[in-house]
Amino acid sequence: EVQLVESGGGLVQPGGSLRLSCAASGFTVSSSYMSWVRQAPGKGLEWVSVIYSGGNTYYADSVKGRFTISRDNSKNTLYLQMNSLRPEDTAVYYCTRDNKEYSYGSDYWGQGTLVTVSS
Amino acid sequence: SYELTQPPSVSVSPGQTARITCSGDALPKKYAYWYQQKSGQAPVLVIYEDSKRPSGIPERFSGSSSGTMATLTISGAQVEDEADYYCYSTDSSANHKVFGGGTKLTVL
Repeated sequence: EVQLVESGGGLVQPGGSLRLSCAASGFTVSSSYMSWVRQAPGKGLEWVSVIYSGGNTYYADSVKGRFTISRDNSKNTLYLQMNSLRPEDTAVYYCTRDNKEYSYGSDYWGQGTLVTVSS
Repeated sequence: SYELTQPPSVSVSPGQTARITCSGDALPKKYAYWYQQKSGQAPVLVIYEDSKRPSGIPERFSGSSSGTMATLTISGAQVEDEADYYCYSTDSSANHKVFGGGTKLTVL
């Protein structure tokens, strides 16, 4: 059974850093496209970043230069390192598996982890 | 930056057909996807590659795309279909993804 479990969210001050983790089971992260998607309270979905199976990474303009997506193949875990955090980064962050069978649509999502940026 | 535009809300009575549109300049060349998000839950993929349904998605959900507009159609909408619906696609480079602003579907 495929499962994605995020962790690492919490309260952080503006300018601070946080690292989110997404532990995967039932499939291999390194063989998959994996994304982070966020949702500010009461707002819509916003794509944040993707890492392809070959290792290429891409970011939304809103986080480029501040966030870094990565993976640990030995732990089958996806990460999102978030630096220079701003109040507008406050959101629930979801990790997703982007399935080749569905033309890389996200067929599995984690439960989300809440990041709050506030002083 | 690339944008996808959806109507904020759509309302239908049970059994009617609901149509939700999504417009974007790259849609003639890029696939549209649709996600359903019910209150307090993670999104669910309901349409990929403009018109295909993942396994387990009811047949009343269908999709189409023509020119710069993609459409999600729910034929015979049910009360349980009440949710926020988001279209999703990529810019011309295919490496930057984007969601539409979301459409709240009310069925009552």
